Amino acid sequence: DARVTQTPRDKVTEMGQEVTMRCQPILGHNTVFWYRQTMMQGLELLAYFRNRAPLDDSGMPKDRFSAEMPDATLATLKIQPSEPRDSAVYFCASAGPPDTQYFGPGTRLTVL
Amino acid sequence: QKEVEQNSGPLSVPEGAIASLNCTYSDRVSQSFFWYRQYSGKSPELIMSIYSNGDKEDGRFTAQLNKASQYVSLLIRDSQPSDSATYLCAVNMVLGGNQFYFGTGTSLTVIP
Repeated sequence: DARVTQTPRDKVTEMGQEVTMRCQPILGHNTVFWYRQTMMQGLELLAYFRNRAPLDDSGMPKDRFSAEMPDATLATLKIQPSEPRDSAVYFCASAGPPDTQYFGPGTRLTVL
Repeated sequence: QKEVEQNSGPLSVPEGAIASLNCTYSDRVSQSFFWYRQYSGKSPELIMSIYSNGDKEDGRFTAQLNKASQYVSLLIRDSQPSDSATYLCAVNMVLGGNQFYFGTGTSLTVIP
């Protein structure tokens, strides 16, 4: 049963600490998305990659967020330094042709 | 104006009734349309994708697309309490550089 995996599932950290979230896309999918979901803003696209190349990261605060895809099986999202307003659920999704996205279980981040 | 708009609800229907969920979008040349279901505390789960004008049926679910009116809907027949969730509409917009936009979701409650 192919699915997107994300780690960690829950993360509690203190303001100013670095946070790294990881995602393993479905094997064979060439597009990976990072989303953030909050009650107030809904689902926001932060960044996405196609064939490991970043295509759009305009939704991401550049000064503290970074996204990379070091290989086809791993995508990472880092926040440094973290702030309380970053508290949210972060979803990774992957898609293969044509373009249907499948979501991972999410990482629930709490920044104190 | 948001790229994808949905009524936030909440929408309540009795068990066995038809639930109708609606979505409008701003990009006339959008090609791909999706409905996701999200249970509280879970990740979005794909229900339907639709690419052509008209109706597409899958079990109790029917997606309807009208590109001229920039309108996509989801009908749920014989609604069950297990259908209670938030339903997200997503559109792949060509003008946005093949970017995916999600609506804020419609909360559906099916009353036994």
